[in-house]
Amino acid sequence: GAGVSQSPSNKVTEKGKDVELRCDPISGHTALYWYRQSLGQGLEFLIYFQGNSAPDKSGLPSDRFSAERTGGSVSTLTIQRTQQEDSAVYLCASSWRAGGSYNEQFFGPGTRLTVL
Amino acid sequence: TQLLEQSPQFLSIQEGENLTVYCNSSSVFSSLQWYRQEPGEGPVLLVTVVTGGEVKKLKRLTFQFGDARKDSSLHITAAQPGDTGLYLCAGVQAALIFGKGTTLSVSS
Repeated sequence: GAGVSQSPSNKVTEKGKDVELRCDPISGHTALYWYRQSLGQGLEFLIYFQGNSAPDKSGLPSDRFSAERTGGSVSTLTIQRTQQEDSAVYLCASSWRAGGSYNEQFFGPGTRLTVL
Repeated sequence: TQLLEQSPQFLSIQEGENLTVYCNSSSVFSSLQWYRQEPGEGPVLLVTVVTGGEVKKLKRLTFQFGDARKDSSLHITAAQPGDTGLYLCAGVQAALIFGKGTTLSVSS
């Protein structure tokens, strides 16, 4: 596609359930990023993938959060045993590669997660 | 730890007014970016500043990077309702470190 796509656009779940959020990056982009945007905390980095290198997981808030990227393209962010504080908009972005002063990241529209 | 502080957090002005948004950091960044985000969409890059003291202009928007590369400002001249949105500064590392943003509302 022309841009980064994410699905679903909205997800409502009950506390304690697991959820999977999907990201399709721009074709050819080797770097993929996940961010979380909430009212109180702004936009926070979660994890990024660069090519076949091990992902940088330094932003993941707990071990309930994990992500994988298959075939260097599509990525899935999984949140296990969801809590109400997980409610936020989850944004995915991609770029030609990670790093570099002019690294432009292209963002998807986000998935709005609501945990009841 | 929040490394980038943006101010003001909210700004509501009339069409035609000028405004400045500030982004301050306790850390030095190799570069800093400004993004604009509209409701229901992801942020979109406006500009990247790299050199200390650098000034970049994008139509009515002027971006400046501090000499020490720890702070930046965004100045909008003669704001228009179409400028309404969330403005985010971001320090560039492998990932981006964002400030909390400035919500701008311009009314006609």
